[in-house]
Amino acid sequence: AQSVTQLGSHVSVSEGALVLLRCNYSSSVPPYLFWYVQYPNQGLQLLLKYTTGATLVKGINGFEAEFKKSETSFHLTKPSAHMSDAAEYFCAVSDSMQGGSEKLVFGKGMKLTVNP
Amino acid sequence: ETGVTQTPRHLVMGMTNKKSLKCEQHLGHNAMYWYKQSAKKPLELMFVYNFKEQTENNSVPSRFSPECPNSSHLFLHLHTLQPEDSALYLCASSQDRIPSSYEQYFGPGTRLTVT
Repeated sequence: AQSVTQLGSHVSVSEGALVLLRCNYSSSVPPYLFWYVQYPNQGLQLLLKYTTGATLVKGINGFEAEFKKSETSFHLTKPSAHMSDAAEYFCAVSDSMQGGSEKLVFGKGMKLTVNP
Repeated sequence: ETGVTQTPRHLVMGMTNKKSLKCEQHLGHNAMYWYKQSAKKPLELMFVYNFKEQTENNSVPSRFSPECPNSSHLFLHLHTLQPEDSALYLCASSQDRIPSSYEQYFGPGTRLTVT
């Protein structure tokens, strides 16, 4: 079964600084990979996803992530943080289950604080 | 209404009460999901429905009972809950169940407190 590791639970950056949120997954078989964002009192919203093809994926709000098979990583970056980026970010990976079913496995999430 | 809606947004119930959570999706999707989000824990998948049929039950206690009368509506019936069931319950939908590369659209959740 797949697992997702998001080290730490909280990261704080200054407005305009680089945002880097790390995600590692367990499987050697390339899965589908996702980043979701959750703003306060809201559900999760897809930021970006990797399925096949180009390993650098661009998403909404200026975020991008790079799939690195050798490192089993899918880190999320944004060159310049904005106050509106303050939210919780979840990495997720697809996992095959018995009977041909699939599900998403989520990391514990990373709360991003942006300081003025 | 657009997207995925959930009612109520907040619910406080005693351990002997019976209540229901409602989810409605306006996206024409075929798959719907219930997730439990607890503090400092990963999102836990509870139930999956595809074309109104339950395809997964992730070892969820029987005090949680899902119902999917049609592809647009999903309910979670609650009875004799425990305080550790207090959490944010999220509903989601996707075009289809497989492949899991389909984006899941989430509702805002119901904040449940069991007293």
